[in-house]
Amino acid sequence: DIQMTQSPSSLSASVGDRVTITCRAGQSISTYLNWYQQKPGKAPKLLIYAASSLQSGVPSRFSGSGSGTDFTLTISSLQPEDFATYYCQQSYSTLYTFGQGTKLEI
Amino acid sequence: EVQLVESGGGLVQPGGSLRLSCAASGFTLSSYAMNWVRQAPGKGLEWVSTISGSGDNTYYADSVKGRFTISRDNSKNTLYLQMKGLRAEDTAVYYCAKDARYCGSDCNPRGLTFDPWGQGTLVIVSS
Repeated sequence: DIQMTQSPSSLSASVGDRVTITCRAGQSISTYLNWYQQKPGKAPKLLIYAASSLQSGVPSRFSGSGSGTDFTLTISSLQPEDFATYYCQQSYSTLYTFGQGTKLEI
Repeated sequence: EVQLVESGGGLVQPGGSLRLSCAASGFTLSSYAMNWVRQAPGKGLEWVSTISGSGDNTYYADSVKGRFTISRDNSKNTLYLQMKGLRAEDTAVYYCAKDARYCGSDCNPRGLTFDPWGQGTLVIVSS
């Protein structure tokens, strides 16, 4: 299995802050990396696919970058509705794996 | 509008069986790979299984291989997950999710992207 490691596991921030979450793959996965947002009691929502492509309807303050083993999700200016848990997911191997999640708190 | 509605969850004893269903609407089911992803209480997301649009190809996490079977009935617009030999560690909310990609025929499994997701159904394995 390809292990996906996110950092940090939790993060405290304020409205208006710029935030970066990192995801590292255990081996090179090219740009086969997706990012999801999950709010408590809700299903996850796709934010970014193929490392840097913004899903339709997702605000432009979200962006993704990276290739190979190192990836980042950046929120340029935090909004109140962005406080949630974020997961990366690799789709290079058919043993699809998620990172452990990053909880973004006020 | 694409909609996915899971059902079939509940309380089951260890070693028991359960079949989950995911009713799909708003798109042609046969054109998309479909997936099950689970989340244990208070834990992260774990991919469980994927089936190609044609149904010819299936993939399983090592943790469920040999115990779970994914299938689909495109005529009924429904995805299934048959679960046998259930264990306490299978306790989770089970989500179905559509592959975001349309490829005409079966997509390359590399690049699978989960979107959208259903609301989930809770499976509790306990005596």
